[in-house]
Amino acid sequence: SAVISQKPSRDICQRGTSLTIQCQVDSQVTMMFWYRQQPGQSLTLIATANQGSEATYESGFVIDKFPISRPNLTFSTLTVSNMSPEDSSIYLCSVASLSSSTDTQYFGPGTRLTVL
Amino acid sequence: AQSVSQHNHHVILSEAASLELGCNYSYGGTVNLFWYVQYPGQHLQLLLKYFSGDPLVKGIKGFEAEFIKSKFSFNLRKPSVQWSDTAEYFCAVISSASKIIFGSGTRLSIRP
Repeated sequence: SAVISQKPSRDICQRGTSLTIQCQVDSQVTMMFWYRQQPGQSLTLIATANQGSEATYESGFVIDKFPISRPNLTFSTLTVSNMSPEDSSIYLCSVASLSSSTDTQYFGPGTRLTVL
Repeated sequence: AQSVSQHNHHVILSEAASLELGCNYSYGGTVNLFWYVQYPGQHLQLLLKYFSGDPLVKGIKGFEAEFIKSKFSFNLRKPSVQWSDTAEYFCAVISSASKIIFGSGTRLSIRP
């Protein structure tokens, strides 16, 4: 399985500011995803990070609010822009390496964000 | 649209009791199914997965799950739970384009 690291592990931010979260994988992977896990809830997919092109966003998430970069196969960033307290959540990076139909996703440790 | 249902939101058991957590999915085609676990303060970890073959899948820490196609179910089981099994358990299914759809999760509390 891939080893995934995220920075920062946690942060407390002021309303109206932006935070960029980094995700680093120890091997080249085909797919990278960003999820949000709000307090007491399940995981919600924000977007698929595409290498060398714009990310693919899920319904309810837009690029202006959550710009994503993926300059290569092992690294991606998610920015939470113009934050409000409703953005307080755990943000998780996930990776998958496709092998025929047996793709499995592995998750990073998450970034716990608190917006005041 | 694909969906995953976990009907038990919170399960409380005593140590050594048997466990079964329900998971049902809605999707007519070939499915890849997963159970993930999130221990308190830790990140999400893969417990077990089903792609094809034997519908009874064995995972880590004594967990197993059975894929019953006719019931669209993938229930998680463990014959004898331990206090260290206290965690949140998520059932998930792979959708198109490798996107995982998660269930709402089941919180498992084990009384020592």
